[in-house]
Amino acid sequence: QKEVEQNSGPLSVPEGAIASLNCTYSDRGSQSFFWYRQYSGKSPELIMSIYSNGDKEDGRFTAQLNKASQYVSLLIRDSQPSDSATYLCAVNLPGAGSYQLTFGKGTKLSVIP
Amino acid sequence: EAQVTQNPRYLITVTGKKLTVTCSQNMNHEYMSWYRQDPGLGLRQIYYSMNVEVTDKGDVPEGYKVSRKEKRNFPLILESPSPNQTSLYFCASSFTGRFSTDTQYFGPGTRLTVL
Repeated sequence: QKEVEQNSGPLSVPEGAIASLNCTYSDRGSQSFFWYRQYSGKSPELIMSIYSNGDKEDGRFTAQLNKASQYVSLLIRDSQPSDSATYLCAVNLPGAGSYQLTFGKGTKLSVIP
Repeated sequence: EAQVTQNPRYLITVTGKKLTVTCSQNMNHEYMSWYRQDPGLGLRQIYYSMNVEVTDKGDVPEGYKVSRKEKRNFPLILESPSPNQTSLYFCASSFTGRFSTDTQYFGPGTRLTVL
């Protein structure tokens, strides 16, 4: 059974702080992991992908993957009000599920000026 | 401009009246997909297509049909819509659908209300 779990939030952080978003997944065979940002009423847009254990940094964003513990996280440094959105975690399985992404329900982030 | 387009963007209809939501991409992508997004349920895949004439069910295919006669188009068909199909629908595409190396791009969404 494919499950991707996220806290729904809302997660509120002050401007300039670090926002930490977490995601756990149930299938140990999962190989590819993605973070999408979705503004209210808009379509999801990819902000980070990560495939191997450890950290991956891109500007103010850092994705962290721990396959042994089956979690992936997203850190947003120096949070800005424009980061206020819902963040979706998505997971891809190998084999028969390799052409599908399973999404979590999303965590709503509010950055307070 | 590289993009995924959907039409219509908003649609209000009545139960049982057949409708089609179109999706088109101009990036020569092989893989296309339809999702629905509902509050509390997240984004769920309806159908996907790995290439022309190749389609497969996603997690919630009941009540929907798709076709892929051309590479750029992937219409979603609701032959007899019901109120439980009221949702926000997204079309998406990627080069190959192999997400170990690929990025998926989403269309702007279609908000469907079935009365």
